[in-house]
Amino acid sequence: DAKTTQPTSMDCAEGRAANLPCNHSTISGNEYVYWYRQIHSQGPQYIIHGLKNNETNEMASLIITEDRKSSTLILPHATLRDTAVYYCIVRGGLQGAQKLVFGQGTRLTINP
Amino acid sequence: DTGVSQDPRHKITKRGQNVTFRCDPISEHNRLYWYRQTLGQGPEFLTYFQNEAQLEKSRLLSDRFSAERPKGSFSTLEIQRTEQGDSAMYLCASSLARRQISEAFFGQGTRLTVV
Repeated sequence: DAKTTQPTSMDCAEGRAANLPCNHSTISGNEYVYWYRQIHSQGPQYIIHGLKNNETNEMASLIITEDRKSSTLILPHATLRDTAVYYCIVRGGLQGAQKLVFGQGTRLTINP
Repeated sequence: DTGVSQDPRHKITKRGQNVTFRCDPISEHNRLYWYRQTLGQGPEFLTYFQNEAQLEKSRLLSDRFSAERPKGSFSTLEIQRTEQGDSAMYLCASSLARRQISEAFFGQGTRLTVV
């Protein structure tokens, strides 16, 4: 699985959009980009995933660059409950590449 | 609540004792994963099952660790002769393998403290 690079920490004001970047320059054609988050003392929570098109769900939007070497997770109206560690993961689409490989993630703090 | 249950939530044990954790996945999920997470680090993959078959084991899973999923439903993770370095959060996740790509749902974890 390709390696990802994320900033160690970010701050965002409550009510503003939080934009979390991720670099995955070695991503291969059949690998998906996944985002999970982990709120303190809880298990990781799935947010969204995508292959090459931008994706949106009730939690967030995922913007993937045309060359697929980077992506941005967007939380449109951040709340205090969005304070968490956010993990960007690249995961293979082949049947055998099923595990999620977590890095250090980005610690996002939403400030009132 | 994701539907993945782990028991116990917390375990304190003395060094050298054996401990066993249980994970109940979402009922229709045929894949089950175990991860370990230490303070300040992301979760580290330990092993995964498809139905009752253990298909992959990490090098982190030493001989003292064993995982089972006897009927393809719940799973147990046993650590024998615990060491202080085993202190961590042990996370279980499950997913449905019918689709090529499917998200994994995590439980709340079992926090192990070895004293």
